[in-house]
Amino acid sequence: TAGITQAPTSQILAAGRSMTLRCTQDMRHNAMYWYRQDLGLGLRLIHYSNTAGTTGKGEVPDGYSVSRANTDDFPLTLASAVPSQTSVYFCASSDWDNTGELFFGEGSRLTVL
Amino acid sequence: GQNIDQPTEMTATEGAIVQINCTYQTSGFNGLFWYQQHAGEAPTFLSYNVLDGLEEKGRFSSFLSRSKGYSYLLLKELQMKDSASYLCAVMDSNYQLIWGAGTKLIIKP
Repeated sequence: TAGITQAPTSQILAAGRSMTLRCTQDMRHNAMYWYRQDLGLGLRLIHYSNTAGTTGKGEVPDGYSVSRANTDDFPLTLASAVPSQTSVYFCASSDWDNTGELFFGEGSRLTVL
Repeated sequence: GQNIDQPTEMTATEGAIVQINCTYQTSGFNGLFWYQQHAGEAPTFLSYNVLDGLEEKGRFSSFLSRSKGYSYLLLKELQMKDSASYLCAVMDSNYQLIWGAGTKLIIKP
């Protein structure tokens, strides 16, 4: 079972370039999330989507955009990367008809130089 | 503001018991989660508490006191594979998760 898949696993990006992190889930979960994880800080929510066709801003949305054209895919785009966006990015999904627990992808390590 | 506090790092001995505490101040409460995260890997779900009391699941137990804004994760019969970070997260009144920074647990032989 694939669960939730992220790509790429890691990427080095020049400042000012754009980048899209891909996220796909095969669990038919309604809700999907993008988090960033930085050393010494808790997971911080960037954007979320409660259902296909809707998105919302999290705690740290600036510099990021998302779309949710269908249930399975939830890409995260950095339009013009800056060094402060160097982080590990986790995509997650949840099924609120069940326990509400989050299922995470393996993460995407992004370095912006 | 909303805040989740947990110790940064703890050390314990293989075979022993360790308790990881989590205190929280949030806008509303709709449940508390514990996740385990091994270095370089994704977090994985351990437990969920929404009512006061102890939830036991094998070697792991999680306790909640809503009146005190307090939870703990209890790990028994520690194994080397339990070396990981343990993340506490609270769901607020808007059903958004607020995350602690995590507790790195080091297990020594």
